[in-house]
Amino acid sequence: SAVISQKPSRDICQRGTSLTIQCQVDSQVTMMFWYRQQPGQSLTLIATANQGSEATYESGFVIDKFPISRPNLTFSTLTVSNMSPEDSSIYLCSVEKPGQRDGYTFGSGTRLTVV
Amino acid sequence: QKEVEQNSGPLSVPEGAIASLNCTYSDRGSQSFFWYRQYSGKSPELIMSIYSNGDKEDGRFTAQLNKASQYVSLLIRDSQPSDSATYLCAVRRYGQNFVFGPGTRLSVLP
Repeated sequence: SAVISQKPSRDICQRGTSLTIQCQVDSQVTMMFWYRQQPGQSLTLIATANQGSEATYESGFVIDKFPISRPNLTFSTLTVSNMSPEDSSIYLCSVEKPGQRDGYTFGSGTRLTVV
Repeated sequence: QKEVEQNSGPLSVPEGAIASLNCTYSDRGSQSFFWYRQYSGKSPELIMSIYSNGDKEDGRFTAQLNKASQYVSLLIRDSQPSDSATYLCAVRRYGQNFVFGPGTRLSVLP
């Protein structure tokens, strides 16, 4: 399975500021996914990032709040913009390698606290 | 209606016992089924996948799938304290994104 490096691992941010989370994969992947996991909750898909095209956002998530970049097949960023305490959560990137059926591999996650 | 349902737990079992984790799903078109383990403060880790009706065994883990009943389960034999974690069920229809359940918290008591 792919090895994913995600950073930062955690951050404490002031409300109104923005944080960019980076996700680097050790091999080329077509699709990268960004999830949010709020305290005590399961995983919620924010968006799917495809190289060379706009990200596809799930219901309830918008590009202005969560802009995503996907400059190549091994890297993506998610920005959490104009943060409020409600954005405090764990953010996870994940990938599915082409041709592999066995689920997603997740990055180590970014624990964000907004104060 | 939630698409994937799990008992939130906590499910407590004594060390050495069998832990049984259950998951139901609503989309009859689901084709792939996965169990992830998530330790507190860590990211989910894939432990089992199953695609056909019946049982699939991997070490101490057995996944069971019944598509007619829209039910998938995970059995953990000889449970160890290190198995204490949240177990997430995920289902997928071909070409679509995963849908994760809310997770069941398992506590194995020494």
